[in-house]
Amino acid sequence: AQTVTQSQPEMSVQEAETVTLSCTYDTSESDYYLFWYKQPPSRQMILVIRQEAYKQQNATENRFSVNFQKAAKSFSLKISDSQLGDAAMYFCAYRSEEGYGGATNKLIFGTGTLLAVQP
Amino acid sequence: NAGVTQTPKFRVLKTGQSMTLLCAQDMNHEYMYWYRQDPGMGLRLIHYSVGEGTTAKGEVPDGYNVSRLKKQNFLLGLESAAPSQTSVYFCASSYEILAGPSSYEQYFGPGTRLTVT
Repeated sequence: AQTVTQSQPEMSVQEAETVTLSCTYDTSESDYYLFWYKQPPSRQMILVIRQEAYKQQNATENRFSVNFQKAAKSFSLKISDSQLGDAAMYFCAYRSEEGYGGATNKLIFGTGTLLAVQP
Repeated sequence: NAGVTQTPKFRVLKTGQSMTLLCAQDMNHEYMYWYRQDPGMGLRLIHYSVGEGTTAKGEVPDGYNVSRLKKQNFLLGLESAAPSQTSVYFCASSYEILAGPSSYEQYFGPGTRLTVT
């Protein structure tokens, strides 16, 4: 079974600085998708970025980018020019592309990293 | 579009009481999911549905039942609430996967905070 690990329960960053959130996963599959979701204090889950495992190029979305290391099974999120509105819980999630998991679009979430942004 | 809505937003139950959480989506999504979120444990899948009239168990299904009588609605029931079911419950939905990778995103509701005393 696949697992997702976020080893940093809490992180802090100064406004305008850069921060990297870590995520590792365990899988025997070769094809899958990875996601980062943001959960601000409002509790609303918001998709930040996605990465397809068969693509070597790291995904980017404005100030958000990932460092995807498939061999190391690592998927870190980098937030550049941090803003106060980036303060939130961030979840890493894995989506299997193979077999029954792929047919149901189920996600496996990590335990989250709470990011604080200091003014 | 309202997206994914959940009713109620907050609820307090006594041990042994029953209740139903309602999830509704107006995006014509085929797939729907119920998660629970607990401190330090992330989101865990309770039950899910891949279409009207279908349901299946997720990672933590015990103590919950679900129904998907209409495509737009997904109900989560607690027949006899226990303190261990105190949690924040999220509903999510997504397009059918045949629509391609752009359909893989799950859209979440605002959550329901449930306390069982």
